[in-house]
Amino acid sequence: SQTIHQWPATLVQPVGSPLSLECTVEGTSNPNLYWYRQAAGRGLQLLFYSVGIGQISSEVPQNLSASRPQDRQFILSSKKLLLSDSGFYLCAWNKRGRYGYTFGSGTRLTVV
Amino acid sequence: DAKTTQPNSMESNEEEPVHLPCNHSTISGTDYIHWYRQLPSQGPEYVIHGLTSNVNNRMASLAIAEDRKSSTLILHRATLRDAAVYYCILRGQNNNAGNMLTFGGGTRLMVKP
Repeated sequence: SQTIHQWPATLVQPVGSPLSLECTVEGTSNPNLYWYRQAAGRGLQLLFYSVGIGQISSEVPQNLSASRPQDRQFILSSKKLLLSDSGFYLCAWNKRGRYGYTFGSGTRLTVV
Repeated sequence: DAKTTQPNSMESNEEEPVHLPCNHSTISGTDYIHWYRQLPSQGPEYVIHGLTSNVNNRMASLAIAEDRKSSTLILHRATLRDAAVYYCILRGQNNNAGNMLTFGGGTRLMVKP
C-alpha cells in the first residue's frame, strides 16, 4: 500500500533562518507531488507541484522553493524565513489516472 | 476554474443524518465533483467524487442534481469524529498535475452529542 511521510511534525524557527521540509511517498512510482500551505484560520493554498524528477511548477511567487531530487521525494525550502511563512504545510500526492489526492500529516511551522 | 459555494458552517446532532450542500452553477460538462474533509490539525482526506450519477461509498453518499449545478454530501449518521471542514471541489476530467485541487473555504461541520 502507498504511504506518504512528512517531517518534522512541528517546527519553530527564527526569522531569517533557513527551512527544509521533506516529503516522501512509498509504494508507488512517478507520482504527482504537491506542496500546500494553510495559514491559521485560512484555506489551503497550493504552493508547488511536480510531475517528475526535477520538474517543479510554482503557483505563488514567494521566498519558498521546491525541489524533487528523487522520484518519490519532494522538498520545500527557504533561504530566509519570514514571519508570514508561518502555517501548516501539507504534502500530497496522486497518481496519474487516479482522481484522489492523499495528503501527509503536515508540518506546523511557527516563525518567531 | 469553476467555483463552488458552500455554507460557512453547519451543526448536526450525533447519530442524525447530515446534508452538506454545494452550489456550482458554472460547472462544465467535464468537471468532476470532489469532496474532501479536513479534521482538526490534519491534512485533508478524500471522501467521494462523482460526475453525473449519485455515488455511495463507506464514508458518505453524493447526490448530484440533474442539471449538475448543485450537489449534496450526505453523512448518514453523524458521529463526533465527523466534525471537520468539508470541501466541495470541481476538477476537470484531465488528471494531469496541472489540473490540481483548488480548495475554497469549505463548510465547518460541528456535531453535537
